[in-house]
Amino acid sequence: SQTIHQWPATLVQPVGSPLSLECTVEGTSNPNLYWYRQAAGRGLQLLFYSVGIGQISSEVPQNLSASRPQDRQFILSSKKLLLSDSGFYLCAHRTGNEGNTIYFGEGSWLTVV
Amino acid sequence: QKEVEQNSGPLSVPEGAIASLNCTYSDRGSQSFFWYRQYSGKSPELIMFIYSNGDKEDGRFTAQLNKASQYVSLLIRDSQPSDSATYLCAVYAGNNRKLIWGLGTSLAVNP
Repeated sequence: SQTIHQWPATLVQPVGSPLSLECTVEGTSNPNLYWYRQAAGRGLQLLFYSVGIGQISSEVPQNLSASRPQDRQFILSSKKLLLSDSGFYLCAHRTGNEGNTIYFGEGSWLTVV
Repeated sequence: QKEVEQNSGPLSVPEGAIASLNCTYSDRGSQSFFWYRQYSGKSPELIMFIYSNGDKEDGRFTAQLNKASQYVSLLIRDSQPSDSATYLCAVYAGNNRKLIWGLGTSLAVNP
């Protein structure tokens, strides 16, 4: 079965500091991977998606970036965090079956202070 | 702009009742439809998906799809306090490449 892990689960970072959130998927190869953000009281916002190593598509221009150095690894980064970057960050992967269902990792809570 | 709309709620039902959650979508070419449940502070988890007109049942949950009217609903029978959560509707756009999310409906099941 496929599982998805992301870490850290919770972090508090000062404004202007860097960020690195990591996500790995097990039990599948060449998955489609996604980074979403869910701000307080708001819906899921797609940030980046990747269909393969080194292939990143950005949905929303912002101070975040994503990388996919390995087939099952997806990293979300920032060089300088803003207060508005606070939120719940979710890594997800899409299966090819089950109607192309998206499954989420446990999420990472980021508070920028 | 492709959209998915849900009533934000909160929808409040007594324990044991049927909870009915609705979702409308704008892209007539949409093919796949999903319901997720999200507990406070947790990530969304899949309840079920549907892609054919009609009903699909899984335990206490029934998804209903009407493509002509462009809505999909979720019925929860014998609602339990543990069903209290936010329910997210998601729809793949016509080319099945981008998932469009609703903002969710908050459900409260009262003992």
